[in-house]
Amino acid sequence: GAVVSQHPSRVICKSGTSVKIECRSLDFQATTMFWYRQFPKQSLMLMATSNEGSKATYEQGVEKDKFLINHASLTLSTLTVTSAHPEDSSFYICSAQLLSSYNEQFFGPGTRLTVL
Amino acid sequence: KNEVEQSPQNLTAQEGEFITINCSYSVGISALHWLQQHPGGGIVSLFMLSSGKKKHGRLIATINIQEKHSSLHITASHPRDSAVYICAVYGGGGADGLTFGKGTHLIIQP
Repeated sequence: GAVVSQHPSRVICKSGTSVKIECRSLDFQATTMFWYRQFPKQSLMLMATSNEGSKATYEQGVEKDKFLINHASLTLSTLTVTSAHPEDSSFYICSAQLLSSYNEQFFGPGTRLTVL
Repeated sequence: KNEVEQSPQNLTAQEGEFITINCSYSVGISALHWLQQHPGGGIVSLFMLSSGKKKHGRLIATINIQEKHSSLHITASHPRDSAVYICAVYGGGGADGLTFGKGTHLIIQP
């Protein structure tokens, strides 16, 4: 089946630093990847849609200058949380879309970010 | 924007019981996912369906497009089924990605 990896799985950083999270589709090419965020006891919320070779599309309320997304190849998208603050602490999950008539999405294992 | 409602929010049952989790959405969609999230956070896609019914092992998912409703059933439930089950819809409401329900927290007691 289609496998998506994320790295790192867990990161703790100091306030003001930047953190990069990688999302890779291991055995398929994904022109579209999605980044989601989940706060404790809440549902996942779409942050942005990442399209290979073009600028990401951000959801309302998500700062594009704070959450930098790069989708440089068909198997890799990165999310960089710049100048992280404690309120950015969350569980970040990516998914990669398999192009088909149904555009099924496959999820990465997630990255737990804690900003001190 | 598509509104996705799940019920129940929490469910505790005994091992062996038949489990049903419901999902309804407000705007027509192209596909619906049932996802399983374990305490560690990782998400597993159980089903993606756009019509009818799918079965995988002890899990069954159905969808009624006209009624904008889907159900996830677990037969002969087991403690290892304990997880959060999330309904997510694709399409409808203008969203590019999935729109998620709040999840159903299922606990199966031995």
